[in-house]
Amino acid sequence: QITLKESGPTLVKSTQTLTLTCTFSGFSLTTNEVGVGWIRQPPGKALEWLALIFWDDDKRYSPSLRSRLTITKDTSKNQVVLTVTNMDPVDTATYYCVYSRGLGSPSFDPWGQGTLVTVSS
Amino acid sequence: SYELTQPLSVSVALGQTARITCGGNNIGTKNVHWYQQKPGQAPVLVIYRNNNRPSGIPERFSGSNSGNTATLTISRAQAGDEADYYCQVWDSSTVVFGGGTKLTVL
Repeated sequence: QITLKESGPTLVKSTQTLTLTCTFSGFSLTTNEVGVGWIRQPPGKALEWLALIFWDDDKRYSPSLRSRLTITKDTSKNQVVLTVTNMDPVDTATYYCVYSRGLGSPSFDPWGQGTLVTVSS
Repeated sequence: SYELTQPLSVSVALGQTARITCGGNNIGTKNVHWYQQKPGQAPVLVIYRNNNRPSGIPERFSGSNSGNTATLTISRAQAGDEADYYCQVWDSSTVVFGGGTKLTVL
């Protein structure tokens, strides 16, 4: 059974850097075609994809947020870390960690439970 | 950048068929995935690669994709199907989500 769980601060201040950790089980990020990503959702709004890292360390980022995002993996700890620099109140959202498998255009399944991050001004 | 357009809301009578659309330029050439999100919960994949159901998803959920529109069809709608639904594609090696559709079962 694949599970993912997000952890990190629930409150950050404007201009600070957010660091979120996804700890997963039930798979290895060294397996071909496997990826772990991050998606966020501001309260009452739509889903927004942020970043994805693949088994071979290939990384993809949202074009609109690319300059602020960094995604890394630690296969020995079964963790993926996302950093977001220069946080702003508009970045207040629930941040989800997701699993993907397959080449080309994979879907995301399952999702972590999500973690709400609030940015104060 | 690629955009996906969904209706803000769709209503369906209990037991009837709901259709939720996802519009995009030549979306028929892409693989479309659909997610269901109930209040306070994380999204769940209900259709992948246009018309495939993950294990545990009822046969009442189906998908199609052609031309400029992909469609999620929910047959014999139940009260438990009330949720937000999102379509998703890949474009130029990045992920795009639609704006989401709120399904109300009357």
